[in-house]
Amino acid sequence: EIVMTQSPLSLAVTLGEPASMSCRSNQSLLHGDEFNYLDWYLQRPGHSPQLLIYVGSTRASGVPDRFSGSGSGTDFKLQISRVEAEDVGVYYCMQTLQSLTFGGGTRVEIK
Amino acid sequence: QVHLVQSGAEVKQPGASVKVSCSASGYPFNGYGFTWVRQAPGQGLEWVGWISAFSGSTDYAPKFRNRVTMTTDISTRTAYMELRNLTPDDTAVYYCARDQRTQWYRPDSVDVWAQGTMVTVSS
Repeated sequence: EIVMTQSPLSLAVTLGEPASMSCRSNQSLLHGDEFNYLDWYLQRPGHSPQLLIYVGSTRASGVPDRFSGSGSGTDFKLQISRVEAEDVGVYYCMQTLQSLTFGGGTRVEIK
Repeated sequence: QVHLVQSGAEVKQPGASVKVSCSASGYPFNGYGFTWVRQAPGQGLEWVGWISAFSGSTDYAPKFRNRVTMTTDISTRTAYMELRNLTPDDTAVYYCARDQRTQWYRPDSVDVWAQGTMVTVSS
């Protein structure tokens, strides 16, 4: 089973400032088709999760361009260029290479 | 518009079974698969399993493999997840979500989520 580890557990950010979080897998998520099978999801308080990024770096439909995903193999990062109030919630990475597994999440709050 | 709606909250006794439904609209039902995810109170997301409405193939997380069954009914455009032999540790919100890619052969990114169903297991 592929195990996903996220850090930090929580992040307090000032509005308008950047934020960054990491996700690591215990096996490479790079497929032979050269895609990294890694997603990022945001779960806002009291809501269902929503897809932000898939295959490591592609923004889902309607996702603002302040969100960006990067990384390859076992190490990935989600960055928010300028945090807005609506970005508060828990961010999860999820691998889709072998079945699915989620990371434990990073909680983002406003300072 | 693509829309998923789940059945309402359930309260079950330990040892019982629960069957949660997920009704889909706004797209060709048998073109996509469904992933089921659960979230215990105050905890993170946990993948339960996946079913293809196209082929009927399933893939269950190892910890649920011996007591979960996922099905789809094309005539009613509904996906189902049944979990048996419930314990208090199964108390959680259960979500269904739709695959992002059509006619995909294995679990995939999910781009549409339902509202979730709270399942409480208590004596």
